[in-house]
Amino acid sequence: QKEVEQDPGPLSVPEGAIVSLNCTYSNSAFQYFMWYRQYSRKGPELLMYTYSSGNKEDGRFTAQVDKSSKYISLFIRDSQPSDSATYLCAMSRTGNQFYFGTGTSLTVIP
Amino acid sequence: DAGITQSPRHKVTETGTPVTLRCHQTENHRYMYWYRQDPGHGLRLIHYSYGVKDTDKGEVSDGYSVSRSKTEDFLLTLESATSSQTSVYFCAISDSYNEQFFGPGTRLTVL
Repeated sequence: QKEVEQDPGPLSVPEGAIVSLNCTYSNSAFQYFMWYRQYSRKGPELLMYTYSSGNKEDGRFTAQVDKSSKYISLFIRDSQPSDSATYLCAMSRTGNQFYFGTGTSLTVIP
Repeated sequence: DAGITQSPRHKVTETGTPVTLRCHQTENHRYMYWYRQDPGHGLRLIHYSYGVKDTDKGEVSDGYSVSRSKTEDFLLTLESATSSQTSVYFCAISDSYNEQFFGPGTRLTVL
């Protein structure tokens, strides 16, 4: 069983839609959670970082962590064509060895 | 890319040959990481460093070695490349236990 499970999609939404991306995990000791965005043939760029449980908001992006369900989410409001990318979740017990999901491919249609 | 460069950006080599990939940072960050990214597997940690000459193994370290003789440079070596090591390799840096910044990646093909 993989440490982190992420639906690969692809996910296609119209511009302006709310997007929900999710990951589940098996290790209850994970306490550092991140979301990355990766454009084609580029390195991942950090979007959101959360320590332990709770919600975090940054502009159009909201990250949620539910440790009791071992489930994390990233919400994108008012999605834009420039949001079209692959989104990766990552998590860690220690803060240095991160386990990544396989990524969800998102396309926002103008 | 947060002051991170990787070289070479693309490489094609043959099975059995040694290969060294270089990661160079200008941020003076303490931690450096090597990942590989493959379809269906996502990003997997190969090795990481928490200081000059201090390194540790990650999830998929077999067949790889690393060295860090200076803060700014982290080298990944494939002693004898195999076709299963065909992948995209990413270097990342961080100065604390949270944000990791990634380099542009190196595409390695082993024939």
